[in-house]
Amino acid sequence: AQSVTQLGSHVSVSEGALVLLRCNYSSSVPPYLFWYVQYPNQGLQLLLKYTSAATLVKGINGFEAEFKKSETSFHLTKPSAHMSDAAEYFCAVTPYSSASKIIFGSGTRLSIRP
Amino acid sequence: DAMVIQNPRYQVTQFGKPVTLSCSQTLNHNVMYWYQQKSSQAPKLLFHYYDKDFNNEADTPDNFQSRRPNTSFCFLDIRSPGLGDAAMYLCATSRDVAIQETQYFGPGTRLLVL
Repeated sequence: AQSVTQLGSHVSVSEGALVLLRCNYSSSVPPYLFWYVQYPNQGLQLLLKYTSAATLVKGINGFEAEFKKSETSFHLTKPSAHMSDAAEYFCAVTPYSSASKIIFGSGTRLSIRP
Repeated sequence: DAMVIQNPRYQVTQFGKPVTLSCSQTLNHNVMYWYQQKSSQAPKLLFHYYDKDFNNEADTPDNFQSRRPNTSFCFLDIRSPGLGDAAMYLCATSRDVAIQETQYFGPGTRLLVL
């Protein structure tokens, strides 16, 4: 079964510092992978998705993620954190067995220090 | 702007008193989903409609029902809410159920059960 694991339930970085949120997937076939962001008391917004085209995927708000098959990883990065990036971030995968379903990771809460 | 709308944003109900949450969309998407998200957890899919075809997740309690009277609207009915049903309920839509399709989420309805 396909799944994703997010390492670190809480990440704190200083404003202007690199943001790195880790996600590893488990899949026997090339997966479709997503990163979603959830601001407090809001729904989820798609940041970016990997659909087996380019391995480096650029998303909104300056975020990007790199698909590394050898490491089964899909880590999310942003070169310089802004205060407005404080939110919950979810890595997710769509299993081939159920195309309508998104399986979310447990989430990582990103805090930004002034 | 095309969007997914959820009303109300906050809903308070009493233990055992039926409650209905509403979702509408202007995207003209074929698929509508309902997710339950408890505090500090990932969203969990309850069920989805592909057009008028209802698809229930195996572990969704019978207490949860859904209706989709037309393309634009979908309702979540909780027949006898318990304290454990207090959560954020997220509605989402997608154009189709193909694996690469993006799901678009509404802002959510936070349900409080007294």
